[in-house]
Amino acid sequence: QVQLQESGPGLVKPSETLSLTCTVSGGSISSSSYYWVWIRQAPGKGLEWIGSIYYRGTTYYNSSLKSRVIISVDTSKNQFSLRLSSVTAADTSVYYCARFVAAEALYYFDYWGQGTLVPVSS
Amino acid sequence: EIVLTQSPGTLSLSPGERATLSCRASQSVSSSFLAWYQQKPGQAPRLLIYGASSRATGIPDRFSGSGSGTDFTLTISRLEPEDFAVYYCQQYGNSPQVTFGGGTKVEIK
Repeated sequence: QVQLQESGPGLVKPSETLSLTCTVSGGSISSSSYYWVWIRQAPGKGLEWIGSIYYRGTTYYNSSLKSRVIISVDTSKNQFSLRLSSVTAADTSVYYCARFVAAEALYYFDYWGQGTLVPVSS
Repeated sequence: EIVLTQSPGTLSLSPGERATLSCRASQSVSSSFLAWYQQKPGQAPRLLIYGASSRATGIPDRFSGSGSGTDFTLTISRLEPEDFAVYYCQQYGNSPQVTFGGGTKVEIK
């Protein structure tokens, strides 16, 4: 059973950089069938895709966040990470990591982390 | 960028009733790229339907998906108490980009 677990600081100050790591267990991050993704959800709002990474390091970002986002992967640790710079209160959200299936012409999220709330506040 | 519009925003129904949720895309979407998720308070979304009409593992057959092109539907044939939740459609597009609809809340009437 694949499991994903987010970890990182529980509070970030405005103008600083939010950093989160997702640890994948029960399966290899180095599979050609998956992308590894960060998604966020502001309190009481819908889901927003932040960006995706392939195990070889290719990244894809939401155009609205692209200038502030870096997603990286560490295959030796079976982890991938998110860095979001220059945060404001509008970045306060629950941040999820998830596995995105891209295989056999089908595309969907099959496993999600439990999510971690990251408030941005001084 | 393809925009997904879900309607209605809120659906008030009683247990045992049929729920019909709509997801409309701003451009044609391949059925292979359309999925539906259920989210309950304090939980991560859960995959219900992929490829527009295929049920994910363990999903009861009261959930069904249909549609093509720009119009997709999630139907819950008879609502059970555990089905009251928020439902999202999601598409995978060029670039590749992922977009979600704004969600439909199914609440107890």
